[in-house]
Amino acid sequence: QSVLTQPPSASGTPGQRVTISCSGSSSNIGSNTVNWYQQLPGTAPKLLIYSNNQRPSGVPDRFSGSKSGTSASLAISGLQSEDEADYYCAAWDDSLNGDVVFGGGTKLTVL
Amino acid sequence: QVTLRESGPALVKPTQTLTLTCTFSGFSLSTSGMCVSWVRQPPGKALEWLALIDWDDDKYYSTSLKTRLTISKDTSKNQVVLTMTNMDPVDTATYYCARIRSVTTMDFDYWGQGTLVTVSS
Repeated sequence: QSVLTQPPSASGTPGQRVTISCSGSSSNIGSNTVNWYQQLPGTAPKLLIYSNNQRPSGVPDRFSGSKSGTSASLAISGLQSEDEADYYCAAWDDSLNGDVVFGGGTKLTVL
Repeated sequence: QVTLRESGPALVKPTQTLTLTCTFSGFSLSTSGMCVSWVRQPPGKALEWLALIDWDDDKYYSTSLKTRLTISKDTSKNQVVLTMTNMDPVDTATYYCARIRSVTTMDFDYWGQGTLVTVSS
C-alpha cells in the first residue's frame, strides 16, 4: 500500500480536462513539495511537474499542478491520445529516517 | 546532455546479493545539491524508491529496505552502485537510476532506461 493515495484510474475524451488527485499527510505533502511523473507504456518515467506546479522545459502547458494542505492535483487540459499513460505523484517524507514516497499511480485512458 | 544507464545481472537466485551500477554523464555528482537515486518497479506495479546518495556522500535508504541496501559512488568514474542482499522473488522488478538535481525539490529529472532483474532459482 502506497503512502500517497491516488485513484487507480481516470479517463476522458479528447479535448476534455481531467484531474488526478494525490493525498498524503503532514509529514510528506504537508511539509514538502510534490512532483509528478508520466510513464508511457514500456518506458521509463518522465518528470512532468516539479515543486508542486513547475513544468520542466518541453512539457506542454496543458499540464499543471497544484497543492493544498496535504493533497495535490495534476490537471491535464485539452486531453490528447498521447496522454494515455500512468501518472505518479511523489514527495519527500520527513518521518523516521526520511523517504521518497510515491503514489500508487493512476492509469489515464483517453476514450 | 544528461544520460544514465543501469547495468547488472538480469537473473539472480534467491538469497544472492544483487549489485547494480548506474553510469552517468552530462553532470557531476560532486556538484552541490546533486544526487543520484534508485527506484524500482515490479511488473505491473507502482514505483518504489530505494535509496539515494548526494554530492556530499550522504546516503538515504528506504525505511522498509534499509537493512538490505547499500549505495555508494565513484565520482571519478561517474558511477553509483547499489547492492541489495538476500534477494527474493518479490524483488523481481525493473530497477531505475535517476538524477535528483536539487535536494530542495527532490525531483528525478533524468532517468535511465531501467534494467529488469528477475529473481528465480
